[in-house]
Parts: sequence; C-alpha cells; structure tokens
Amino acid sequence: KNEVEQSPQNLTAQEGEFITINCSYSVGISALHWLQQHPGGGIVSLFMLSSGKKKHGRLIATINIQEKHSSLHITASHPRDSAVYICAAYRQGAQKLVFGQGTRLTINP
Amino acid sequence: DAGVIQSPRHEVTEMGQEVTLRCKPISGHDYLFWYRQTMMRGLELLIYFNNNVPIDDSGMPEDRFSAKMPNASFSTLKIQPSEPRDSAVYFCASSIPLGTDTQYFGPGTRLTVL
Repeated sequence: KNEVEQSPQNLTAQEGEFITINCSYSVGISALHWLQQHPGGGIVSLFMLSSGKKKHGRLIATINIQEKHSSLHITASHPRDSAVYICAAYRQGAQKLVFGQGTRLTINP
Repeated sequence: DAGVIQSPRHEVTEMGQEVTLRCKPISGHDYLFWYRQTMMRGLELLIYFNNNVPIDDSGMPEDRFSAKMPNASFSTLKIQPSEPRDSAVYFCASSIPLGTDTQYFGPGTRLTVL
C-alpha cells in the first residue's frame, strides 16, 4: 500500500461543476503539498498546508491531521483546470516528499 | 527571477552513452531536489541537497546515477552508462532555507534512451 493515496485516479466533469480530489496518507507528516501538472508537463505548487484550510481563487485545500486526510476542491470548474493534481507529503522529521499517484482531471465545456 | 532552469529540455541518446542533466536553482534557495517521473512509477525523489551537500540519495536507482552540486547555483545529474529504462522526465526543484516549504519546479528534461 502506498504511503500517500489519492482518489479518484481519473475524474471527468462538466464546466461549472464543484470538484473534490481526496488524499489520504498513512504516515505522520509535517506538511502536505498539492501540485498541479499541466498537459505540457510543467509542475506548479498550489498549496502547502499543515493544518486547517487554505484558499486561492477558486481552489480550496483542507487537511484533517487526526484523520490523515486532505482534500482539494475546485469551485466553478473550467476547462483550463484540466490537469493532473498530485498530493505529496513531507514525512515528519524528513525534508523529502512522498507522492501520491495523481488524479487526472478533465473538465469538458 | 527566472525560476528554476533546466537544460536540456529534451535529450535523445543511445544506450550506453553518458547523459548529463543540468539545473540552476532559484537564487537564495538552499535546498535542491532531483525527481524522476515515469508513467509506471509517477514522481520519485532521486536525491536532494542542502547548502550544496547531498543529504539523502536513497532514491538514486543505482551506481550509474550520480549527482553533484559544485556551488549554490548549479547542479548536475549524470547517468553513465544510460539504459532504455532510464527514459523519463527529470525534474529539478528548489526551495527556501526551510526545506519543508513550497518547492519550485523546473520545466523538466525529457530523456529518451534508445
């Protein structure tokens, strides 16, 4: 079993829908990253959080440390949100990231 | 700032050849990370440096892989000899002195070994 698991692996939705991508981890962590990888291949860090909730535009990330679970939400989704979203965790006491397998999101117009 | 710079962006080589990938981190970032991404295994950390010193190279697949950081503004990842299974996208990332902070990724080098 991977230390970081994402669901779903693939998600297709219509423009305007509310999107939720889930991430569960099995190890103690100090922080969790959400990354976005566009079809062209570039990787962008969206959020890094260790507790609570962060919001940036239409993107919201939450984390529940007790339940070892994080979610990434996209409100009013748009075709330009189509990308692979990757959850990555910093293990406690370590500086390196452990990655989930990614969620491929496709938003149709 | 130009962000993390990687070169070359694409590399095609034949099995057995030496391959050198290059990375220039963002100025002032003390941590530098090398990752490999494949369809089968996703993103994997190969090695990371702090203040030019290798801290954890447990992800380096085998002795054919080596990485150096001779100064704060330059790092190389070398594969010698290369094999077809090394074909992947190799990303370099850097972060500010607090290593568990946002990492900034370079555009990646797509390596194809024939």
